[in-house]
Amino acid sequence: AQRVTQPEKLLSVFKGAPVELKCNYSYSGSPELFWYVQYSRQRLQLLLRHISRESIKGFTADLNKGETSFHLKKPFAQEEDSAMYYCALSPNTGGFKTIFGAGTRLFVKA
Amino acid sequence: DAMVIQNPRYQVTQFGKPVTLSCSQTLNHNVMYWYQQKSSQAPKLLFHYYDKDFNNEADTPDNFQSRRPNTSFCFLDIRSPGLGDAAMYLCATSRDGGLPGNEQFFGPGTRLTVL
Repeated sequence: AQRVTQPEKLLSVFKGAPVELKCNYSYSGSPELFWYVQYSRQRLQLLLRHISRESIKGFTADLNKGETSFHLKKPFAQEEDSAMYYCALSPNTGGFKTIFGAGTRLFVKA
Repeated sequence: DAMVIQNPRYQVTQFGKPVTLSCSQTLNHNVMYWYQQKSSQAPKLLFHYYDKDFNNEADTPDNFQSRRPNTSFCFLDIRSPGLGDAAMYLCATSRDGGLPGNEQFFGPGTRLTVL
C-alpha cells in the first residue's frame, strides 16, 4: 500500500537549533516526494520537491531510497519557520494522485 | 494575483441536506482536485479532474460527487451529508507539465459543519 508516515505530530525547538522533520514512505516504485507547508492563517503551499534538489528558506530534503525516507532539515531554525509541514508522495507512474502524511507541527521558540 | 478561491469559507448544513462547495481558479490549470481533511489527519484525495475527465478515488463514497462545467470552476456536491462528513475541504489545481508529480496550488479551504 502507498503510505506516507510522519511520526511526530509536534516538534518544538529553540531558535537557532537544528531541526529535522521525519518522513517515511511506503511505495514499491520510485516516487516523487514533496514537502508542503502551511503557515498560520495561510493556505497549504509547496516548500520543496525532491526532483528539484534545491534549498528553500534554508530547508533541504534528501531522498533515501534504502531507508524510504525524505526527511526535511534546516541547520538553524527561525521563529518564522513555525508552521504545519506535510510530506507528500506522487507515484511515478503518471496520473495525478498525491498521498499526504498527517503533518508535523513545528514550533520554534525564541 | 492568480489564485485558487473557495466559497464559502465556512458552511453549516443539516444532516441529510444536500450541500455544494465551490472552487474557482485563475491559474488556467488543467487539473483540479478535491481533498477532505479531518482534524489532525492527512488531506485525503476524493477525486480530480484532468480537463473534463473525472477521476474518482476507489474509496470515495458515492455520497460525494463533483462537477466541472469549465476550466475555471469545480464543485463538490455532498448529496446527503452525515456527521462524519464534517471536515475541511480543500480544492487544489496543478498544471500538467508532463513530469511525474506536479506542484499543487491550494485554496484556503471550506470548513463544513454538519448539525
